[in-house]
Amino acid sequence: GAVVSQHPSRVICKSGTSVKIECRSLDFQATTMFWYRQFPKQSLMLMATSNEGSKATYEQGVEKDKFLINHASLTLSTLTVTSAHPEDSSFYICSARVGGQNITFGSGTRLTVV
Amino acid sequence: AQTVTQSQPEMSVQEAETVTLSCTYDTSESDYYLFWYKQPPSRQMILVIRQEAYKQQNATENRFSVNFQKAAKSFSLKISDSQLGDAAMYFCAYRSVSGNTPLVFGKGTRLSVIA
Repeated sequence: GAVVSQHPSRVICKSGTSVKIECRSLDFQATTMFWYRQFPKQSLMLMATSNEGSKATYEQGVEKDKFLINHASLTLSTLTVTSAHPEDSSFYICSARVGGQNITFGSGTRLTVV
Repeated sequence: AQTVTQSQPEMSVQEAETVTLSCTYDTSESDYYLFWYKQPPSRQMILVIRQEAYKQQNATENRFSVNFQKAAKSFSLKISDSQLGDAAMYFCAYRSVSGNTPLVFGKGTRLSVIA
């Protein structure tokens, strides 16, 4: 089946540094990817919609300058958390539509900012 | 905007028994998709079952079935013959038919299975 590969699975970074998370569609072309954030014991909250070759669409309250999204090819979307702070610590997960109405998810990235 | 409500933060079931997880949603659209996802401790999102709103027949996948009541905007998940591996967070989700729209999730229900 269709697979979205997300890396890294875990990352610990120092406050003030930037972290890049990658999501790759391995056997299909993903013109659109969705980025979610999940706090412990909570649901997935949509952060932004990433469209290949164009600017991402951010949800209300999500800082576009802090969460940089790039979708330069049909198989790769990246989320960069810039100048990370402890409050950015969370679980980040991407997803993509795979033809029809099937949605597949990456395995997620646990970000810890110390 | 569409909303999804899961009113049961936690549920428990005895192994081999049946449990029903509730979900309601709000939308003004007439055609859409509804999903149940399972998130085990690994946090990988796993599709359990999907329902197209235009289909009256309730979807079924092995031990998992739904009770889709379109007029009531209700979409409950029934798990039969519960197994220890069913223990996880379960999320109900909505998706519009049109365009590349994202999933809208409920807050989730944590299911425990008691041996």
